[in-house]
Amino acid sequence: QKEVEQDPGPLSVPEGAIVSLNCTYSNSAFQYFMWYRQYSRKGPELLMYTYSSGNKEDGRFTAQVDKSSKYISLFIRDSQPSDSATYLCAMKESAGGTSYGKLTFGQGTILTVHP
Amino acid sequence: NAGVTQTPKFRILKIGQSMTLQCTQDMNHNYMYWYRQDPGMGLKLIYYSVGAGITDKGEVPNGYNVSRSTTEDFPLRLELAAPSQTSVYFCASSYREPEAFFGQGTRLTVV
Repeated sequence: QKEVEQDPGPLSVPEGAIVSLNCTYSNSAFQYFMWYRQYSRKGPELLMYTYSSGNKEDGRFTAQVDKSSKYISLFIRDSQPSDSATYLCAMKESAGGTSYGKLTFGQGTILTVHP
Repeated sequence: NAGVTQTPKFRILKIGQSMTLQCTQDMNHNYMYWYRQDPGMGLKLIYYSVGAGITDKGEVPNGYNVSRSTTEDFPLRLELAAPSQTSVYFCASSYREPEAFFGQGTRLTVV
């Protein structure tokens, strides 16, 4: 079993739809939960991250973490064609110490928003 | 603001050849990282550095070496290239964990 599971999709939605992207994980030591967006042939770009459980909102994007269920979600409201990309979840046990840079990534979900 | 710059963008190597992937950042970040991204596998950490002169292994360091003589530069060296090193390589930097800024990647094919 992989530490982080993410449905690779692909996911295709019409413009304006609400998109839900999800990851499950098995390592209960994860404390930081991140979502990256990666356009084709580009590097990942950090969208947002949360520490421990709870919700975080940034414009059209909302991240949710449910540590009891080991489940995280990213919601995109009023989706736009420019949101078409691969979305990667990533998790981390702690900041610094012996875990510098040690992100565990999901496989990525390919999202297409069509006009 | 250039951010994290990687060169080259593409490279084809023959088995047994060596090369250096260059990474430079202009944000004065202390932390720098090298990842590889294989299809359907997410990104895995190869090496990281917490400052000039300090480097350490990540999850998949075998076949690679790094050095960090300045804050700006963090080159990744491949010795004796093997087909298993065919991948997309990303360099990243950060000023605090867990945030990281990624470069655009180097696509490497070993034939």
